Amino acid sequence: AQSVTQLDSHVSVSEGTPVLLRCNYSSSYSPSLFWYVQHPNKGLQLLLKYTSAATLVKGINGFEAEFKKSETSFHLTKPSAHMSDAAEYFCVVSVGAGGTSYGKLTFGQGTILTVHP
Amino acid sequence: GAVVSQHPSWVICKSGTSVKIECRSLDFQATTMFWYRQFPKQSLMLMATSNEGSKATYEQGVEKDKFLINHASLTLSTLTVTSAHPEDSSFYICSVPGALVGTDTQYFGPGTRLTVL
Repeated sequence: AQSVTQLDSHVSVSEGTPVLLRCNYSSSYSPSLFWYVQHPNKGLQLLLKYTSAATLVKGINGFEAEFKKSETSFHLTKPSAHMSDAAEYFCVVSVGAGGTSYGKLTFGQGTILTVHP
Repeated sequence: GAVVSQHPSWVICKSGTSVKIECRSLDFQATTMFWYRQFPKQSLMLMATSNEGSKATYEQGVEKDKFLINHASLTLSTLTVTSAHPEDSSFYICSVPGALVGTDTQYFGPGTRLTVL
């Protein structure tokens, strides 16, 4: 079985300050991990993904995440928040080939990011 | 990225009626598609896996007779909510796995918002 826990339901930052969205996962197999962003009334957009290559993953719009197996974490960061980053962010785990649930995604509860001027 | 479309984008129906939602993969063929449901202020939950040429696979707790899935072709899957009730009101999202084997990336449709009166 696999699961994802996003530790904060809401995060509020000022424009220009760093962003940290926390995610912990559990998986019986080597997981693939993703961060998706959902803007109001829009579809999910992939920010970045980890698939057992480099542990530090760079995504779009300046976001990056680090896979830490010892901590079972995959936190999302950005050095400087922009107003356009305000959205809901989902940490997602998928069990790859070798697990029985290949292709199925398990979503975290979501973190709403608010960016203040 | 791959384009996935959904139709309609929103629908309002009366209690007891049936509603069909289409999911189309515009860029490549997909033998598998996934259907998710997102209730207000909640995360996405996988409902079922749509399989071309065979029956859909439903997640625990999802009524297969209520949520009929038909994978009509390699680019089209439909979800029919039968005898809809107000508690079925939700945001329904489909996804298509990436064309490259092992990438584990999925592409999401923009979603369909269903409101049952």
